[in-house]
Amino acid sequence: GAGVSQSPRYKVAKRGQDVALRCDPISGHVSLFWYQQALGQGPEFLTYFQNEAQLDKSGLPSDRFFAERPEGSVSTLKIQRTQQEDSAVYLCASSLGLAREQFFGPGTRLTVL
Amino acid sequence: KQEVTQIPAALSVPEGENLVLNCSFTDSAIYNLQWFRQDPGKGLTSLLLIQSSQREQTSGRLNASLDKSSGRSTLYIAASQPGDSATYLCAVKETSGSRLTFGEGTQLTVNP
Repeated sequence: GAGVSQSPRYKVAKRGQDVALRCDPISGHVSLFWYQQALGQGPEFLTYFQNEAQLDKSGLPSDRFFAERPEGSVSTLKIQRTQQEDSAVYLCASSLGLAREQFFGPGTRLTVL
Repeated sequence: KQEVTQIPAALSVPEGENLVLNCSFTDSAIYNLQWFRQDPGKGLTSLLLIQSSQREQTSGRLNASLDKSSGRSTLYIAASQPGDSATYLCAVKETSGSRLTFGEGTQLTVNP
């Protein structure tokens, strides 16, 4: 079956612009996670959804970052007023449950100029 | 705060060698540990997941072990091939909280 998909794969934004990154999880996966991966580093947790409920947003670096999953399937990560330090790969993962194996999408590479 | 360390940061071996990648974590209160592979410019591919109650898991030429009490895991790759070249990441899921905490990875190069 289809894996986790993300779009766009690449995004270039000018500093100060707003961006929206999309994640389509594996069908039937109730848990959805967002991670941020800087160059040469391991992914860092941003936020977690169980169905449509955002249960953990402790990893969001500032109030410019906002995530939603209104119908418990597709999720969008929005970054307002982008800064150069937001440049990174944003990874989405889904799983059957919180402690189950996580499956990752290909990521969106964001470059802020 | 959980910290995950992977040693070595980079490793280069000739084709056919058996090799071991190391992962250590500071807080032993984990639910499971997952090993991933990441190819350049790509997402993460799950290789093995070990529950905290397990000692090891095997998939093909890969074998992962877990010693929770000492905070260590190893990934053993048998008869390495050039196609194994990638960055290998380990990540732990703690018993509390929702996140996976990742190490910085080991960049493996297998030379033909």
